[in-house]
Amino acid sequence: AQSVTQPDIHITVSEGASLELRCNYSYGATPYLFWYVQSPGQGLQLLLKYFSGDTLVQGIKGFEAEFKRSQSSFNLRKPSVHWSDAAEYFCAVGASSGGGADGLTFGKGTHLIIQP
Amino acid sequence: DARVTQTPRDKVTEMGQEVTMRCQPILGHNTVFWYRQTMMQGLELLAYFRNRAPLDDSGMPKDRFSAEMPDATLATLKIQPSEPRDSAVYFCASSYDFGQPQHFGDGTRLSIL
Repeated sequence: AQSVTQPDIHITVSEGASLELRCNYSYGATPYLFWYVQSPGQGLQLLLKYFSGDTLVQGIKGFEAEFKRSQSSFNLRKPSVHWSDAAEYFCAVGASSGGGADGLTFGKGTHLIIQP
Repeated sequence: DARVTQTPRDKVTEMGQEVTMRCQPILGHNTVFWYRQTMMQGLELLAYFRNRAPLDDSGMPKDRFSAEMPDATLATLKIQPSEPRDSAVYFCASSYDFGQPQHFGDGTRLSIL
């Protein structure tokens, strides 16, 4: 069974500083990988996805993530954070089997705090 | 932008009552998922459908939970009887096809007293 680990429960970053959120996954084949963001009281919004091809993927709001198969990682990065980036970030892995569509397995999330 | 719509947004009810949550997936999406979010367990997959057929509901307590898709524009999740431990935020998501990104609704915040 697949699993996702987000080692950092909370991260505090100063506004304007760079950001990296860590994500490690466990899956036997090539996974589909996603990053979602959740603001308080809201649903999850897709930031970016990796299916295949280029291992550096660009997303919305200036985010990017790099798939590293050798490290089973899919870390999220942003060169300069804004106060509006404060939210909960979830890494997720998805897979397909038997032609069906599996649901996503999520990490526990990383709570991002932005300092003025 | 097309969105997944969930109703009600909030629900407070007493233990033992039946609860029904509804989801309208994005038009044209053939795969619908139900997730539950709690502080302790995080986001958990409960069930999912493809072309209205249930594919997997192994994440649901079978004795009290049921999920259906009466038609392509409506998915329902029912709890009967409800218990305090069912208190959580329930999310519906839909996707265009397998492996495609899932789009989430804003959730139903359920409180069982």
